[in-house]
Amino acid sequence: GEDVEQSLFLSVREGDSSVINCTYTDSSSTYLYWYKQEPGAGLQLLTYIFSNMDMKQDQRLTVLLNKKDKHLSLRIADTQTGDSAIYFCAERSAGNNRKLIWGLGTSLAVNP
Amino acid sequence: DTEVTQTPKHLVMGMTNKKSLKCEQHMGHRAMYWYKQKAKKPPELMFVYSYEKLSINESVPSRFSPECPNSSLLNLHLHALQPEDSALYLCASSQDPGTGASYEQYFGPGTRLTVT
Repeated sequence: GEDVEQSLFLSVREGDSSVINCTYTDSSSTYLYWYKQEPGAGLQLLTYIFSNMDMKQDQRLTVLLNKKDKHLSLRIADTQTGDSAIYFCAERSAGNNRKLIWGLGTSLAVNP
Repeated sequence: DTEVTQTPKHLVMGMTNKKSLKCEQHMGHRAMYWYKQKAKKPPELMFVYSYEKLSINESVPSRFSPECPNSSLLNLHLHALQPEDSALYLCASSQDPGTGASYEQYFGPGTRLTVT
Protein backbone atom coordinates (compact mmCIF):
# COMPACT_ATOMS: atom_id res chain seq x y z
CA GLY A 1 0.00 0.00 0.00
CA GLU A 2 0.92 3.65 0.01
CA ASP A 3 3.51 4.67 2.56
CA VAL A 4 5.49 7.81 3.42
CA GLU A 5 8.61 7.61 5.57
CA GLN A 6 10.62 10.28 7.35
CA SER A 7 13.45 10.23 9.84
CA LEU A 8 12.04 11.14 13.24
CA PHE A 9 14.60 13.61 14.59
CA LEU A 10 17.03 16.23 13.31
CA SER A 11 19.20 18.58 15.34
CA VAL A 12 21.05 21.52 13.80
CA ARG A 13 22.87 24.64 14.95
CA GLU A 14 21.33 28.05 14.41
CA GLY A 15 22.50 29.50 11.10
CA ASP A 16 23.21 26.11 9.52
CA SER A 17 21.09 24.54 6.79
CA SER A 18 18.60 21.81 7.68
CA VAL A 19 17.65 19.04 5.29
CA ILE A 20 14.59 16.95 6.06
CA ASN A 21 14.08 13.87 3.93
CA CYS A 22 11.00 11.92 2.93
CA THR A 23 10.47 8.81 0.84
CA TYR A 24 7.18 7.59 -0.59
CA THR A 25 6.03 4.49 -2.38
CA ASP A 26 3.12 5.59 -4.57
CA SER A 27 4.36 6.18 -8.10
CA SER A 28 1.06 7.85 -9.02
CA SER A 29 1.59 10.72 -6.57
CA THR A 30 0.47 14.03 -8.05
CA TYR A 31 1.43 16.57 -5.41
CA LEU A 32 3.75 16.40 -2.41
CA TYR A 33 3.45 18.77 0.52
CA TRP A 34 5.46 19.98 3.47
CA TYR A 35 3.64 21.09 6.61
CA LYS A 36 5.10 22.60 9.79
CA GLN A 37 3.56 22.16 13.23
CA GLU A 38 4.77 24.15 16.21
CA PRO A 39 3.90 22.93 19.73
CA GLY A 40 0.20 23.37 20.51
CA ALA A 41 -0.59 24.75 17.07
CA GLY A 42 -2.30 23.58 13.89
CA LEU A 43 -0.53 22.55 10.71
CA GLN A 44 0.95 25.28 8.55
CA LEU A 45 1.37 24.58 4.84
CA LEU A 46 4.97 25.51 4.00
CA THR A 47 5.21 24.54 0.36
CA TYR A 48 4.23 21.90 -2.17
CA ILE A 49 5.56 20.54 -5.42
CA PHE A 50 3.88 19.01 -8.43
CA SER A 51 5.21 15.60 -9.36
CA ASN A 52 6.54 16.72 -12.77
CA MET A 53 8.86 19.27 -11.15
CA ASP A 54 12.37 18.63 -9.83
CA MET A 55 12.83 21.65 -7.63
CA LYS A 56 10.92 24.51 -6.09
CA GLN A 57 12.42 27.41 -4.16
CA ASP A 58 10.58 29.80 -1.89
CA GLN A 59 12.76 32.20 0.10
CA ARG A 60 14.68 30.06 2.63
CA LEU A 61 12.95 26.86 1.57
CA THR A 62 14.09 24.59 -1.26
CA VAL A 63 12.19 21.44 -2.18
CA LEU A 64 13.89 18.77 -4.24
CA LEU A 65 12.00 15.89 -5.81
CA ASN A 66 13.62 12.79 -7.25
CA LYS A 67 10.69 11.00 -8.81
CA LYS A 68 12.75 8.01 -9.93
CA ASP A 69 13.85 7.29 -6.35
CA LYS A 70 10.56 8.58 -4.87
CA HIS A 71 12.56 10.88 -2.61
CA LEU A 72 11.54 14.34 -1.46
CA SER A 73 13.61 16.75 0.62
CA LEU A 74 13.07 20.10 2.28
CA ARG A 75 16.08 22.33 2.79
CA ILE A 76 15.81 25.25 5.20
CA ALA A 77 18.62 27.74 4.75
CA ASP A 78 19.96 29.78 7.69
CA THR A 79 17.89 27.80 10.21
CA GLN A 80 16.56 29.86 13.11
CA THR A 81 15.25 28.87 16.54
CA GLY A 82 11.76 29.73 15.29
CA ASP A 83 12.09 26.86 12.80
CA SER A 84 12.02 24.36 15.67
CA ALA A 85 8.90 22.30 15.01
CA ILE A 86 7.65 19.00 13.60
CA TYR A 87 7.74 18.85 9.80
CA PHE A 88 5.32 16.51 8.04
CA CYS A 89 5.67 15.31 4.48
CA ALA A 90 2.42 14.31 2.77
CA GLU A 91 1.53 13.01 -0.65
CA ARG A 92 -1.63 13.08 -2.69
CA SER A 93 -2.30 10.03 -4.80
CA ALA A 94 -3.91 10.24 -8.23
CA GLY A 95 -6.09 7.36 -7.11
CA ASN A 96 -7.70 9.19 -4.18
CA ASN A 97 -7.23 12.89 -4.50
CA ARG A 98 -9.15 13.93 -1.40
CA LYS A 99 -6.94 11.96 0.98
CA LEU A 100 -3.36 12.75 1.94
CA ILE A 101 -0.88 10.08 2.97
CA TRP A 102 1.23 11.44 5.82
CA GLY A 103 4.72 10.71 7.08
CA LEU A 104 5.24 10.37 10.83
CA GLY A 105 6.92 13.77 11.00
CA THR A 106 10.48 14.93 11.64
CA SER A 107 11.10 16.82 14.86
CA LEU A 108 13.61 19.59 14.14
CA ALA A 109 15.56 21.02 17.08
CA VAL A 110 17.57 24.18 16.44
CA ASN A 111 20.32 24.82 18.97
CA PRO A 112 21.68 28.31 19.58
CA ASP B 1 -6.59 35.19 3.19
CA THR B 2 -5.80 31.56 4.01
CA GLU B 3 -7.41 31.45 7.43
CA VAL B 4 -9.46 28.64 8.87
CA THR B 5 -10.92 29.38 12.30
CA GLN B 6 -11.99 26.85 14.92
CA THR B 7 -13.89 27.21 18.18
CA PRO B 8 -13.46 26.50 20.97
CA LYS B 9 -9.69 26.35 21.42
CA HIS B 10 -9.98 24.02 24.38
CA LEU B 11 -12.85 21.79 25.51
CA VAL B 12 -13.17 19.55 28.53
CA MET B 13 -16.18 17.28 28.57
CA GLY B 14 -17.49 14.34 30.53
CA MET B 15 -18.38 11.07 28.90
CA THR B 16 -22.11 11.81 29.11
CA ASN B 17 -21.93 15.33 27.67
CA LYS B 18 -22.93 16.57 24.22
CA LYS B 19 -20.80 19.27 22.68
CA SER B 20 -19.96 20.65 19.23
CA LEU B 21 -16.81 21.82 17.53
CA LYS B 22 -17.08 24.54 14.92
CA CYS B 23 -14.97 25.42 11.90
CA GLU B 24 -15.26 28.29 9.43
CA GLN B 25 -13.45 29.35 6.27
CA HIS B 26 -14.02 32.22 3.86
CA MET B 27 -11.66 31.19 1.07
CA GLY B 28 -14.44 29.90 -1.16
CA HIS B 29 -13.20 26.35 -0.70
CA ARG B 30 -15.72 23.61 -1.46
CA ALA B 31 -13.99 20.75 0.38
CA MET B 32 -13.74 20.65 4.17
CA TYR B 33 -12.12 18.07 6.40
CA TRP B 34 -12.05 16.87 10.01
CA TYR B 35 -8.88 15.29 11.37
CA LYS B 36 -7.95 13.84 14.76
CA GLN B 37 -4.36 14.20 15.93
CA LYS B 38 -2.66 12.58 18.88
CA ALA B 39 0.49 14.15 20.32
CA LYS B 40 3.53 13.99 18.02
CA LYS B 41 1.64 11.89 15.43
CA PRO B 42 0.41 12.79 11.97
CA PRO B 43 -3.25 13.82 11.63
CA GLU B 44 -5.76 11.04 10.94
CA LEU B 45 -8.52 11.81 8.49
CA MET B 46 -12.04 11.43 9.89
CA PHE B 47 -14.46 13.03 7.42
CA VAL B 48 -14.43 14.89 4.11
CA TYR B 49 -17.22 17.09 2.80
CA SER B 50 -17.28 18.07 -0.84
CA TYR B 51 -19.85 20.66 -1.98
CA GLU B 52 -21.57 20.25 1.41
CA LYS B 53 -22.06 16.51 0.94
CA LEU B 54 -20.24 13.89 2.98
CA SER B 55 -17.84 12.17 0.60
CA ILE B 56 -15.50 10.29 2.95
CA ASN B 57 -16.16 8.76 6.37
CA GLU B 58 -13.08 6.89 7.56
CA SER B 59 -15.11 4.41 9.62
CA VAL B 60 -15.43 6.89 12.46
CA PRO B 61 -17.56 5.80 15.47
CA SER B 62 -21.07 7.22 15.48
CA ARG B 63 -20.37 9.20 18.65
CA PHE B 64 -18.78 11.69 16.21
CA SER B 65 -21.36 13.27 13.92
CA PRO B 66 -20.28 15.79 11.26
CA GLU B 67 -22.47 18.46 9.75
CA CYS B 68 -21.88 20.96 6.95
CA PRO B 69 -24.63 23.61 7.17
CA ASN B 70 -23.21 25.67 4.29
CA SER B 71 -20.08 25.99 2.19
CA SER B 72 -18.24 28.04 4.85
CA LEU B 73 -19.11 26.10 7.99
CA LEU B 74 -18.31 22.66 9.31
CA ASN B 75 -19.41 21.26 12.66
CA LEU B 76 -18.48 18.13 14.57
CA HIS B 77 -21.07 17.02 17.11
CA LEU B 78 -19.74 14.95 20.00
CA HIS B 79 -21.76 12.64 22.21
CA ALA B 80 -20.83 9.94 24.74
CA LEU B 81 -17.13 10.20 24.04
CA GLN B 82 -14.47 8.00 25.62
CA PRO B 83 -11.23 9.15 27.31
CA GLU B 84 -9.26 7.77 24.34
CA ASP B 85 -11.02 10.35 22.14
CA SER B 86 -8.97 13.07 23.85
CA ALA B 87 -6.88 14.66 21.09
CA LEU B 88 -6.40 17.75 18.96
CA TYR B 89 -9.22 18.02 16.42
CA LEU B 90 -8.21 19.85 13.28
CA CYS B 91 -10.38 21.27 10.54
CA ALA B 92 -9.02 21.92 7.05
CA SER B 93 -10.34 23.21 3.76
CA SER B 94 -9.24 23.10 0.15
CA GLN B 95 -10.44 23.73 -3.35
CA ASP B 96 -12.27 20.66 -4.45
CA PRO B 97 -10.32 18.19 -6.57
CA GLY B 98 -11.68 18.38 -10.07
CA THR B 99 -10.88 22.06 -10.41
CA GLY B 100 -7.47 21.04 -11.70
CA ALA B 101 -5.70 23.05 -9.03
CA SER B 102 -3.18 21.87 -6.48
CA TYR B 103 -5.98 21.82 -3.88
CA GLU B 104 -3.62 22.16 -0.96
CA GLN B 105 -5.29 21.86 2.42
CA TYR B 106 -5.26 24.76 4.86
CA PHE B 107 -5.63 23.90 8.52
CA GLY B 108 -7.18 25.68 11.45
CA PRO B 109 -5.46 25.93 14.86
CA GLY B 110 -7.44 23.01 16.23
CA THR B 111 -9.58 22.30 19.29
CA ARG B 112 -7.80 20.57 22.15
CA LEU B 113 -10.38 18.11 23.50
CA THR B 114 -10.09 16.38 26.86
CA VAL B 115 -12.65 13.73 27.78
CA THR B 116 -12.87 13.00 31.51
